[in-house]
Amino acid sequence: EVQLVQSGAEVKKPGESLKISCKGSGYSFTSYWIGWVRQMPGKGLEWMGTIYPSDSDIRYSPSFQGQVTISADKSISTAYLQWSSLKASDSAIYYCVRRPTGGYFDYWGQGSLVTVSS
Amino acid sequence: QSALTQPPSASGSPGQSVTISCTGTSSDVGGYNYVSWYQQHPGRAPKLMIYEVSKRPSGVPDRFSGSKSGNTASLTVSGLQAEDEADYYCSSYAGSNTYVFGTGTKVTVL
Repeated sequence: EVQLVQSGAEVKKPGESLKISCKGSGYSFTSYWIGWVRQMPGKGLEWMGTIYPSDSDIRYSPSFQGQVTISADKSISTAYLQWSSLKASDSAIYYCVRRPTGGYFDYWGQGSLVTVSS
Repeated sequence: QSALTQPPSASGSPGQSVTISCTGTSSDVGGYNYVSWYQQHPGRAPKLMIYEVSKRPSGVPDRFSGSKSGNTASLTVSGLQAEDEADYYCSSYAGSNTYVFGTGTKVTVL
């Protein structure tokens, strides 16, 4: 069974750093792109970027380029999304998604709630 | 990269059909047959309902169908059921391994 299991909820202060994770299981982790999707409170879905764990090829949405860093450790089948300096506007649910060939997202993680507040 | 345009809301009575539009440009929806649709119930992660414009993943009822004409894609839910009440989002490949989501549509079953 394909699963994407994300790290738990985080409460951080503005200016702090954060790295959340997404562990894939039940499939060949290096054969699929892994992406991240943001959903701000009461708002829609926003594609942030994707990484191909096999060679760490990364593509970012222009809206998120320079704002976050996507990475992966294929030895432990885990993808990451990190911030170096959080802002209150980063408060959202972040979903990791699996992207097969064909341009869609077939499996979603359960979501990681990030709250940034002073 | 602008979000694809969807109507904020749509509704129908049980058993009726509802169609949701998703309008983009020739750089995304119109340029590729890589439109997908996702259903999201409150407090839950989105679920893939349609991929590559009109294909249904295993387990998705055939009441859900997708189509595309030019820069506009559509999702039709036939024979509406109470459990179909949810938010629906379209997504499209936008070239260079990038993607864009729609603004979302809240479907209400009256």
